Amino acid sequence: KAGVTQTPRYLIKTRGQQVTLSCSPISGHRSVSWYQQTPGQGLQFLFEYFSETQRNKGNFPGRFSGRQFSNSRSEMNVSTLELGDSALYLCASRGQPYTEAFFGQGTRLTVV
Amino acid sequence: GQQLNQSPQSMFIQEGEDVSMNCTSSSIFNTWLWYKQEPGEGPVLLIALYKAGELTSNGRLTAQFGITRKDSFLNISASIPSDVGIYFCAGQLGYSGGGADGLTFGKGTHLIIQP
Repeated sequence: KAGVTQTPRYLIKTRGQQVTLSCSPISGHRSVSWYQQTPGQGLQFLFEYFSETQRNKGNFPGRFSGRQFSNSRSEMNVSTLELGDSALYLCASRGQPYTEAFFGQGTRLTVV
Repeated sequence: GQQLNQSPQSMFIQEGEDVSMNCTSSSIFNTWLWYKQEPGEGPVLLIALYKAGELTSNGRLTAQFGITRKDSFLNISASIPSDVGIYFCAGQLGYSGGGADGLTFGKGTHLIIQP
């Protein structure tokens, strides 16, 4: 069974630009969550999608958005990038709420 | 918001030693998860706990869901070099807004094994 796939693995963007990250969950999983990991703040929850609907959102500004498609693949978008957005962005997939979350390898975003 | 206090921050041990780390919270959680992360990789799930008082093993790893629902610990017995990495605890409260709420993570325990 293939794991969670995130693309791209690495990305360098300039301040003010926008970026889109992609996540393909484990086959059959319908829940996709996104997390930001930084040395200072650790792992922080961004939002969760289940059956194409955002079900929950963490404490991040509106520049961070996402969506989920009918095949459960998800994308995350960050607009008007700031230097502080540099981080490892992780996607996690679950079969059902309350069950274990399995993470992808992440996308390392560097904003210069 | 909810916060998890994970300790110790780092551990320097000899190969073969046992390791113990724990997480405490000011709020209750209904699920506790333990992950390991190595450089350049995403967290890998080690153990999942769903019931207060539950004790679960996965090879040399043992984790417990505290009876108060506010804490959990992870033990690693007879450590080996490949145990090196950062270990994270994560708690989940439950449902909100029609879906599962996000995981709240501890800051991690950095395990270093000295030869």
